[in-house]
Amino acid sequence: AQTVTQSQPEMSVQEAETVTLSCTYDTSESNYYLFWYKQPPSRQMILVIRQEAYKQQNATENRFSVNFQKAAKSFSLKISDSQLGDTAMYFCAVPNTDKLIFGTGTRLQVFP
Amino acid sequence: KAGVTQTPRYLIKTRGQQVTLSCSPISGHRSVSWYQQTPGQGLQFLFEYFSETQRNKGNFPGRFSGRQFSNSRSEMNVSTLELGDSALYLCASSSGVDRRQETQYFGPGTRLLVL
Repeated sequence: AQTVTQSQPEMSVQEAETVTLSCTYDTSESNYYLFWYKQPPSRQMILVIRQEAYKQQNATENRFSVNFQKAAKSFSLKISDSQLGDTAMYFCAVPNTDKLIFGTGTRLQVFP
Repeated sequence: KAGVTQTPRYLIKTRGQQVTLSCSPISGHRSVSWYQQTPGQGLQFLFEYFSETQRNKGNFPGRFSGRQFSNSRSEMNVSTLELGDSALYLCASSSGVDRRQETQYFGPGTRLLVL
């Protein structure tokens, strides 16, 4: 069965600092994308960043970047210059045919 | 483009009742997926519709059903509600062409409370 594992249930970081959230997965898919979604207290699921698994280059989106290790099936999210608005649940997600498989999430608290 | 919309946003029902939730995808998107989110089970896939056909279904009882209309809007129905159906129901839309390589965009969700 396809699995997505987020081993850090909770993390905290001080404003302006950098934090890395980890995610490992198992998939039999090829040529797929991987995703990080953010769910703030409003509960809206918002796309943070996506990584094309067939590309060597790590994706970057402003303060958010990915460290993708395909052989290790690892897909971590780095948040630089953390802001109070980054406080949220973060989910990594991997496709399995017609659906996304989500990890259990990491609750990130950014404090002043 | 307008985002994914879901109605209603909040719903309170009692056990045994049935409920219908609605989702309107992003214009041009033909695929709508439904997910259930609970504190205990996390995010679980319910089903996916593409061009009015159910393409995939998760491991949920037959009380959970859905449909998709010609304009890609989708509805999800839960019959004979149980307390355990209390959850946030999220729908997501995408083009539906290649689910491995496309982004799903989520609506704000419908919070269902079953009393």
